[in-house]
Amino acid sequence: EVQLVESGGGLVQPGGSLRLSCAASGFTFSSNWMHWVRQAPGKGLVWVSRINSDGRSTNYADSVKGRFTISRDNAENTLFLQMNSLRAEDTAVYYCARALAAGAGIAGDWGQGTLVTVSS
Amino acid sequence: EIVLTQSPATLSLSPGERATLSCRASQSVSSYLAWYQQRPGQAPRLLIYDASNRATGIPARFSGSGSGTDFTLTISSLEPEDFAVYYCQQRSNWPYTFGQGTKLEIK
Repeated sequence: EVQLVESGGGLVQPGGSLRLSCAASGFTFSSNWMHWVRQAPGKGLVWVSRINSDGRSTNYADSVKGRFTISRDNAENTLFLQMNSLRAEDTAVYYCARALAAGAGIAGDWGQGTLVTVSS
Repeated sequence: EIVLTQSPATLSLSPGERATLSCRASQSVSSYLAWYQQRPGQAPRLLIYDASNRATGIPARFSGSGSGTDFTLTISSLEPEDFAVYYCQQRSNWPYTFGQGTKLEIK
């Protein structure tokens, strides 16, 4: 059974940093593209970032480019999102998702999410 | 960035009825369109990918169609657990984008 468990969320002041983790199990982690998707309270879904299977290719939404960094540790089956210079508008539930083999941009499995609140 | 527009914003139906949800793209996404269901307090769940392929474990009452810029998600006979928010999503171009969602509510 595929399991994705996010952690690292919490309350942070504007301008601060957080590092999110997503522990993966139940599949060959090193074979899949992985993603971070966020959802502000009461709002829709926004794709934040993606990373290919070996970690060499990454992409970001314009709203986080230069502030967030996605990475992965295939030996530890863990996905990361380093978030710097946080703003109030980054407040959201952050989900990690595993792409299907059928396509890098198909989020086939999702974690339960971790809440990030940016507030003074 | 490709904009996806979903309609209607809210759909009020009764269990057993047929639901038809629409998604229109601002430019062609070929068949690279997916549908997700999100129940309150839960993570999204993949229903349909590449316009018409049901994801593993998704009941046959869910079907998708369309290509280019116009897509439809159909639920043939609504079950109580189907009342949720539905999002379409394109993977044709980065950044991947979602529609704003259609809320399917009980009439």
